[in-house]
Amino acid sequence: KAGVTQTPRYLIKTRGQQVTLSCSPISGHRSVSWYQQTPGQGLQFLFEYFSETQRNKGNFPGRFSGRQFSNSRSEMNVSTLELGDSALYLCASSFGTDTDTQYFGPGTRLTVL
Amino acid sequence: AQTVTQSQPEMSVQEAETVTLSCTYDTSENNYYLFWYKQPPSRQMILVIRQEAYKQQNATENRFSVNFQKAAKSFSLKISDSQLGDTAMYFCAFTDKLYGQNFVFGPGTRLSVLP
Repeated sequence: KAGVTQTPRYLIKTRGQQVTLSCSPISGHRSVSWYQQTPGQGLQFLFEYFSETQRNKGNFPGRFSGRQFSNSRSEMNVSTLELGDSALYLCASSFGTDTDTQYFGPGTRLTVL
Repeated sequence: AQTVTQSQPEMSVQEAETVTLSCTYDTSENNYYLFWYKQPPSRQMILVIRQEAYKQQNATENRFSVNFQKAAKSFSLKISDSQLGDTAMYFCAFTDKLYGQNFVFGPGTRLSVLP
């Protein structure tokens, strides 16, 4: 079974631009969660989508948004990029039950110049 | 709010030796799940082991085992017969089933296995 895939793997953007990251979950998984990983803040939860609906949301500004499609693939969008948005963005998928285990993708490394 | 603490930012161990990584957490819930994830230099997060809070028996996966002390809110990971491939960042994670897939991660412990 194929694992979680994320595209692109690397991105370089400038301040003020916007960016869209994509995540394809493991087949059969309906939940996709997004995390931001930085050296200073560690792993922080952004949001989770389940069956095309945002089910949980972390404490990030509205510039961070996401969506999920009917095939469970998910996209994350960051508008008006700031230098502090430079991070590794990880997505994780699961079946979506409360007791489930998440499986992580390799991440997208975003650099904001 | 739930918090996860890993008090050892870095550790090292000789190949074939045993090492224990510490994790403590804070929650007022009675039912929850704890995980150890490994993130090698290649960056792919990999599930190492999982523990359900309602289970008294400590989880074991091959060379990896946990010491789960619910009353003390402690969840340590023991790696036996350490191998060079165990070199990675190790994250302790908590999820409260009431909050769905909102995992809370500790800051991580960087483990180096020395030849």
